[in-house]
Amino acid sequence: SQTIHQWPATLVQPVGSPLSLECTVEGTSNPNLYWYRQAAGRGLQLLFYSVGIGQISSEVPQNLSASRPQDRQFILSSKKLLLSDSGFYLCAWTGPTNSPLHFGNGTRLTVT
Amino acid sequence: GENVEQHPSTLSVQEGDSAVIKCTYSDSASNYFPWYKQELGKRPQLIIDIRSNVGEKKDQRIAVTLNKTAKHFSLHITETQPEDSAVYFCAASIAGGFKTIFGAGTRLFVKA
Repeated sequence: SQTIHQWPATLVQPVGSPLSLECTVEGTSNPNLYWYRQAAGRGLQLLFYSVGIGQISSEVPQNLSASRPQDRQFILSSKKLLLSDSGFYLCAWTGPTNSPLHFGNGTRLTVT
Repeated sequence: GENVEQHPSTLSVQEGDSAVIKCTYSDSASNYFPWYKQELGKRPQLIIDIRSNVGEKKDQRIAVTLNKTAKHFSLHITETQPEDSAVYFCAASIAGGFKTIFGAGTRLFVKA
């Protein structure tokens, strides 16, 4: 069966520091991969999605970037964090188009 | 692009009553409509989904209806229980695309 791993679970970082969140998927090949952000008490905002290695689509201009160095690995990065980057970051995968999203357990990021 | 609106933002019901959450979408090309439940501090999880070739789908106490003409879809929970208390998100996926766009969420409280 397929599983998705996301780490770390929580992270506290100072403003201006770099960020790297990692996500890996097991049990499937060529998944579509996603990064979503959820501000406290708010909805899910799509940040990036990827349909293959090295293919990244950005949905929101921002302080973040994403990379997909391997088929089942998706990385979210920032060179300098802002206070507004705080939130709950969720990695997800899907199979073929129009199939459900499967979310990782999320990373709660607090920028201080 | 697609836009999904969800109402109400908060819903409080007595245990055993029914709960209805309504969503509208803007892009007539959307053809897949999942619903997710998110418990506090946890990841969203799929509870039911419907495709545009179906008008209604039921799974035990949960049902979803879709009106393609009006671009409306709704979640119905019958015989609510305290463990149904959570945030519920509707979503729409555009045909042939890779993006799932979420509504803002409904916080459901079921009072015992």
